[in-house]
Amino acid sequence: DAKTTQPPSMDCAEGRAANLPCNHSTISGNEYVYWYRQIHSQGPQYIIHGLKNNETNEMASLIITEDRKSSTLILPHATLRDTAVYYCIITNYQLIWGAGTKLIIKP
Amino acid sequence: DVKVTQSSRYLVKRTGEKVFLECVQDMDHENMFWYRQDPGLGLRLIYFSYDVKMKEKGDIPEGYSVSREKKERFSLILESASTNQTSMYLCASREGTYSYNEQFFGPGTRLTVL
Repeated sequence: DAKTTQPPSMDCAEGRAANLPCNHSTISGNEYVYWYRQIHSQGPQYIIHGLKNNETNEMASLIITEDRKSSTLILPHATLRDTAVYYCIITNYQLIWGAGTKLIIKP
Repeated sequence: DVKVTQSSRYLVKRTGEKVFLECVQDMDHENMFWYRQDPGLGLRLIYFSYDVKMKEKGDIPEGYSVSREKKERFSLILESASTNQTSMYLCASREGTYSYNEQFFGPGTRLTVL
């Protein structure tokens, strides 16, 4: 499975869009991009995934570059409850978890 | 909504004790997983099961065993608990065999071995 690089931490103001980057330059053609988040003292929660096309659901949008070497998770209107560790995972079978990005939403 | 429940949120055991961690899912998922999560190491896969009575080793199976007698229930067993097994244990389930299906996680069990 390809490795990912994420910033260890980010801040975002409440109500603004939070843009979380992920680099995955060694991704192969059949590997998906997944995003999960983990709020303190809870189990991880699935957010979104994609293969080539940009994806949107009720929680977030996923933008994947044309060469698939990087992606961005967008939380359009961040709230305090979005404070969590966000994991970008590249896989075609099992999930391999990195350290993620600790996102802090500030009032 | 899928619900994955774990038998305990917090557990304290002594070295050498046999420990059972239970996980139950209510959505008839074929796949179930056990992870442990440690600071700085992220989530690591211990074992997974893709069907009743079937199991596969993950990345760190040493010191653990599992049991899946019923589809909805996946148990993690520490035969003789050791202090280095103090950790957060997370159970997850997934529908079908395709990796693009999301995993649903339980709330976790924080195990302390004294």
